[in-house]
Amino acid sequence: DGGITQSPKYLFRKEGQNVTLSCEQNLNHDAMYWYRQDPGQGLRLIYYSQIVNDFQKGDIAEGYSVSREKKESFPLTVTSAQKNPTAFYLCASSIQRGAGGELFFGEGSRLTVL
Amino acid sequence: SQQGEEDPQALSIQEGENATMNCSYKTSINNLQWYRQNSGRGLVHLILIRSNEREKHSGRLRVTLDTSKKSSSLLITASRAADTASYFCATPDSWGKLQFGAGTQVVVTP
Repeated sequence: DGGITQSPKYLFRKEGQNVTLSCEQNLNHDAMYWYRQDPGQGLRLIYYSQIVNDFQKGDIAEGYSVSREKKESFPLTVTSAQKNPTAFYLCASSIQRGAGGELFFGEGSRLTVL
Repeated sequence: SQQGEEDPQALSIQEGENATMNCSYKTSINNLQWYRQNSGRGLVHLILIRSNEREKHSGRLRVTLDTSKKSSSLLITASRAADTASYFCATPDSWGKLQFGAGTQVVVTP
């Protein structure tokens, strides 16, 4: 079945540690996105990539980094510079870049900083 | 950045009743989308309505779009307990990136 796989589902981190969240898709989509969701709030865009080896900052990129070395993969690293990293992280993809079309989401990764 | 805002923030209804939620946005759009999120899960796309459409149906869902008022509504008819979820509207910005509202939390009680 085609879809987006995020791992791990739950992650605990000590302050000062970097963590990497995995996002893999087998939908052959060009564009991939990372969103952050805080309780009772909407989604805020962290980074997005419209093509391999290219990515752009979203609205809240500070303290995060990404890479897009393969079409299928778009990992997100939450660095120690992110002041409030505890959140629910969602990865998504879409068929066409910049088209404003339907997004397909993974099941999310919940990060808790201890 | 452009963002839709849903109203109400929360809605509690009984099974069989209809649920209506609204979305307002700020600037012109080429489409508006609705998504559902079950607790602790990812979002699922429900329906996309284009700016030249006024109404669209999908099963028990009915979406309207009024571009003159910059607003949209989502109606869920004959709601079921399984419809309990948060519902988000999303609009693309000028670069095609979707901007999401804070959502409407719907609780359907048996």
